[in-house]
Amino acid sequence: AQSVTQPDIHITVSEGASLELRCNYSYGATPYLFWYVQSPGQGLQLLLKYFSGDTLVQGIKGFEAEFKRSQSSFNLRKPSVHWSDAAEYFCAGGSTGGGNKLTFGTGTQLKVEL
Amino acid sequence: NAGVTQTPKFQVLKTGQSMTLQCAQDMNHEYMSWYRQDPGMGLRLIHYSVGAGITDQGEVPNGYNVSRSTTEDFPLRLLSAAPSQTSVYFCASTYAGSYEQYFGPGTRLTVT
Repeated sequence: AQSVTQPDIHITVSEGASLELRCNYSYGATPYLFWYVQSPGQGLQLLLKYFSGDTLVQGIKGFEAEFKRSQSSFNLRKPSVHWSDAAEYFCAGGSTGGGNKLTFGTGTQLKVEL
Repeated sequence: NAGVTQTPKFQVLKTGQSMTLQCAQDMNHEYMSWYRQDPGMGLRLIHYSVGAGITDQGEVPNGYNVSRSTTEDFPLRLLSAAPSQTSVYFCASTYAGSYEQYFGPGTRLTVT
């Protein structure tokens, strides 16, 4: 079955520190992958997406993610976290054989310490 | 373009009541979906549609009905609300051949 796993429920980092949020996927066909961010009480904002091609994907707000097929991972990174990055982050994915349906991970709550 | 719109933003229902969550998009997207978001569970697909007149079940369809009479609208109906349906509901749309979904702002539903 297709699945997306975010192993970390909560992560706390200091402002200015680097960040890596983990995402693992399980798809038989070529996956397409996304990272979304959700601030409290808000909707979902797309940070970045991977469909094919270059495995390092740049997104908004200084985020990037790297698709690693050998590790079935699509981890989100940021070199220097800002206090405004505190939010919940969702990894989502689908496959070319699965229509346009997305499967979401359970989310990682990011806390930024000043 | 307004994108994907959802009404209402907030709703409180009593157990057993019925209601319809509205979703509309003005981007001429063929695909539309409904998700529910619950703490610790991410977003889960309720129902989806690949075009007017065509709908199918997602991961958690029980207790919900949908129909798609036009390309623009995809309402979600709760026939007899239950406390387990307390959640935030998101509607999304995309066009055929794309995998990037555009989300509405959400409806927060509380069933007492």
